[in-house]
Amino acid sequence: AQSVAQPEDQVNVAEGNPLTVKCTYSVSGNPYLFWYVQYPNRGLQFLLKYITGDNLVKGSYGFEAEFNKSQTSFHLKKPSALVSDSALYFCAVRLLNRDDKIIFGKGTRLHILP
Amino acid sequence: DAGVTQSPTHLIKTRGQQVTLRCSPKSGHDTVSWYQQALGQGPQFIFQYYEEEERQRGNFPDRFSGHQFPNYSSELNVNALLLGDSALYLCASSLLVGSGNTIYFGEGSWLTVV
Repeated sequence: AQSVAQPEDQVNVAEGNPLTVKCTYSVSGNPYLFWYVQYPNRGLQFLLKYITGDNLVKGSYGFEAEFNKSQTSFHLKKPSALVSDSALYFCAVRLLNRDDKIIFGKGTRLHILP
Repeated sequence: DAGVTQSPTHLIKTRGQQVTLRCSPKSGHDTVSWYQQALGQGPQFIFQYYEEEERQRGNFPDRFSGHQFPNYSSELNVNALLLGDSALYLCASSLLVGSGNTIYFGEGSWLTVV
């Protein structure tokens, strides 16, 4: 079965420190991978995506993600966290076949401590 | 350029009633998908519309139905509402399926069933 796993329900990071939000996936074939962020009572905002090419993808607000095919991972990273980064983060995979839908992880709540 | 717009933003319905949610996709997009996000959960795929036809459907009962209009806007209808239908309903738009195009989400419609 196709799935996306975010193993951490919550991640706490001190402001100014680097942050990592983990994501692993299980799909057949080559996936398109996405990260979205959701602020309280808001919809999902697109952060970045991996389609092909360079394994390190840069996105909005200073975020980046590293695609690792052998480990089937797509971890979200930022070198220096801001308090305003506190939100709910979703990893998602879009399948490259006729079943064109996005499968989301359950989300990771990121708390940046001042 | 307006993004994905949804209406209404909030609504309260009684068990057994019917509800219609509306979505206008991002300019230039032709594919609309609907997702249900229960509290504390990741979004779950309901269905997708392209060229006014339902292309894909998730694991949702027939009480959930939809429509896409010639201008690509879409409606989500839910009949015989249950308490468990209370959730944030997200509309997403994109270009033609099968590509690496980004999927953009609206701010969502909060449905409370009492």
